[in-house]
Amino acid sequence: QKEVEQNSGPLSVPEGAIASLNCTYSDRGSQSFFWYRQYSGKSPELIMSIYSNGDKEDGRFTAQLNKASQYVSLLIRDSQPSDSATYLCAVSVSGGGNKLTFGTGTQLKVEL
Amino acid sequence: GAVVSQHPSRVICKSGTSVKIECRSLDFQATTMFWYRQFPKQSLMLMATSNEGSKATYEQGVEKDKFLINHASLTLSTLTVTSAHPEDSSFYICSARSGQGAIDEQFFGPGTRLTVL
Repeated sequence: QKEVEQNSGPLSVPEGAIASLNCTYSDRGSQSFFWYRQYSGKSPELIMSIYSNGDKEDGRFTAQLNKASQYVSLLIRDSQPSDSATYLCAVSVSGGGNKLTFGTGTQLKVEL
Repeated sequence: GAVVSQHPSRVICKSGTSVKIECRSLDFQATTMFWYRQFPKQSLMLMATSNEGSKATYEQGVEKDKFLINHASLTLSTLTVTSAHPEDSSFYICSARSGQGAIDEQFFGPGTRLTVL
């Protein structure tokens, strides 16, 4: 079983719609959760971090964490073509030296 | 804030040569830096964790004698790929973590694309 799992996609949504990206993780000791955006040929860019159960909103982005279900998601409201990228879910385990374990990423395509 | 730079951004070298990649935190002191490798269509794979003033910790399967890491200061870590071969061609990305607070966010450099001929 992979430690961090994501659907590879592509996930296609029309412009203006809500894009929902999902991630599950296997280690119950995971403490910190991150969403990174990666454009083709570029390095990852931190979008959101979340540490406690519930929702965290930042502009058009909302991260949701459910530790009981070992599930973290990212919602992108009013999707724009510029949001088209690969979204990487990353998880850090307490006492793990702050190492991040990445999922394989979900490719998002926002269509005009 | 939290800007990380890498140099060079792209390098092409002949098989058997060594290549050094620099990673710098520009506006903060990074107690820990991480080196990743990413092959096409794949996710980031952690190669090693670099702590200032101490030896790097390598992930399983990563040859420490081939991938030399030096973290001589709080703002600079270097990765040297020794005796590079075509299979080492990849996108190498560093990240840096500030020692401030409990938040363990990592900020990534722009990456170095290595092509070994």
